[in-house]
Amino acid sequence: AQTVTQSQPEMSVQEAETVTLSCTYDTSESDYYLFWYKQPPSRQMILVIRQEAYKQQNATENRFSVNFQKAAKSFSLKISDSQLGDAAMYFCAYRGGGGADGLTFGKGTHLIIQP
Amino acid sequence: DAGVIQSPRHEVTEMGQEVTLRCKPISGHNSLFWYRQTMMRGLELLIYFNNNVPIDDSGMPEDRFSAKMPNASFSTLKIQPSEPRDSAVYFCASSVEGQGYNEQFFGPGTRLTVL
Repeated sequence: AQTVTQSQPEMSVQEAETVTLSCTYDTSESDYYLFWYKQPPSRQMILVIRQEAYKQQNATENRFSVNFQKAAKSFSLKISDSQLGDAAMYFCAYRGGGGADGLTFGKGTHLIIQP
Repeated sequence: DAGVIQSPRHEVTEMGQEVTLRCKPISGHNSLFWYRQTMMRGLELLIYFNNNVPIDDSGMPEDRFSAKMPNASFSTLKIQPSEPRDSAVYFCASSVEGQGYNEQFFGPGTRLTVL
């Protein structure tokens, strides 16, 4: 079974600074997808960024980028120029490449933005 | 376009009562997922359907939980009888199978409290 580990229960960063959230996973599959979801206090799950395992290039979405290390099974999220609206729970998630499979989530990292 | 619709948004019930949670997926989506979120266990996949057929229900915690998808536009998650440990936020998500990474779109969740 796949597992996803987020070792940082909580992170704090000054507004406008850069922060990196860590995620490691365990799988025996070679084809899979990785995601970062944001969950603000409204509890709505919002997709931030995704990475296909077969792509070597790291995904980027505006201020959000990932560092995908397939051999190390590591998938960290970097948020640049942190904004107050970035404050939320962030979940790393794994999905197998075999079709419409469910997501396996990490326990989450609570990100605090200091003004 | 309407997103995934869940009802009710909040449910408070007493131990032993039957609870039914409802979900309407995005029109045209053919995969539907039920997740549960608790402080202790995080986000867990309970069951998912593909073309209205249950594919994997290994995450359903026990026989008190059942899920159905009678048609492409409606699914229910039923708990009978309910127990205080069932208190959680229940999310429904839907996706289109066969389009690459098959992004899952989440509903707003139902917060269930069992007294």
